[in-house]
Amino acid sequence: GENVEQHPSTLSVQEGDSAVIKCTYSDSASNYFPWYKQELGKGPQLIIDIRSNVGEKKDQRIAVTLNKTAKHFSLHITETQPEDSAVYFCAAIQYSGAGSYQLTFGKGTKLSVIP
Amino acid sequence: SAVISQKPSRDICQRGTSLTIQCQVDSQVTMMFWYRQQPGQSLTLIATANQGSEATYESGFVIDKFPISRPNLTFSTLTVSNMSPEDSSIYLCSVGGGAGREAFFGQGTRLTVV
Repeated sequence: GENVEQHPSTLSVQEGDSAVIKCTYSDSASNYFPWYKQELGKGPQLIIDIRSNVGEKKDQRIAVTLNKTAKHFSLHITETQPEDSAVYFCAAIQYSGAGSYQLTFGKGTKLSVIP
Repeated sequence: SAVISQKPSRDICQRGTSLTIQCQVDSQVTMMFWYRQQPGQSLTLIATANQGSEATYESGFVIDKFPISRPNLTFSTLTVSNMSPEDSSIYLCSVGGGAGREAFFGQGTRLTVV
């Protein structure tokens, strides 16, 4: 099955600086890579995603890059704000045949933005 | 988009008892997923619940411990049976995520077993 590695496990940045979280995956058949933000006491929420036919995607202060050859993808947050503090999860999706599919999550990165 | 209501949001239970968690979706969906998130950890898939068929369990999870019902296309329940302190976790239901579509999550049920 798929294996997703995520680094770092914790990350502290000063407000206004950039934050980068990196993930690698093992299954070359995976073709959809979402990023989720989980705030305390809440379920994960999608913040950005990328498909395997795209190398980079940007949405305001958030960007994701994908290198299919190397099987790694990264989340970039610029001009960080205290409200960006949360746990971030990367994920990869693989299809098991007969229409079934499964998300495999990384272990998460706890991001702290220091005012 | 999908809105998922999950309840209870939290509970404290005695060991040896069972708790049933409910998940209601505001639209009809074929597949619903149940995850466990142990303290400070990532999400681990417990099972996939399809309406009209038996749930499919992932390695390490069995039906006797985590029975699932899926009576219709908008509702599912997960029961945590014969609980022990090791079952203390957040349990989340989810829909979507297939064919490059967004996966939506309930707010989770924070279970503490004492």
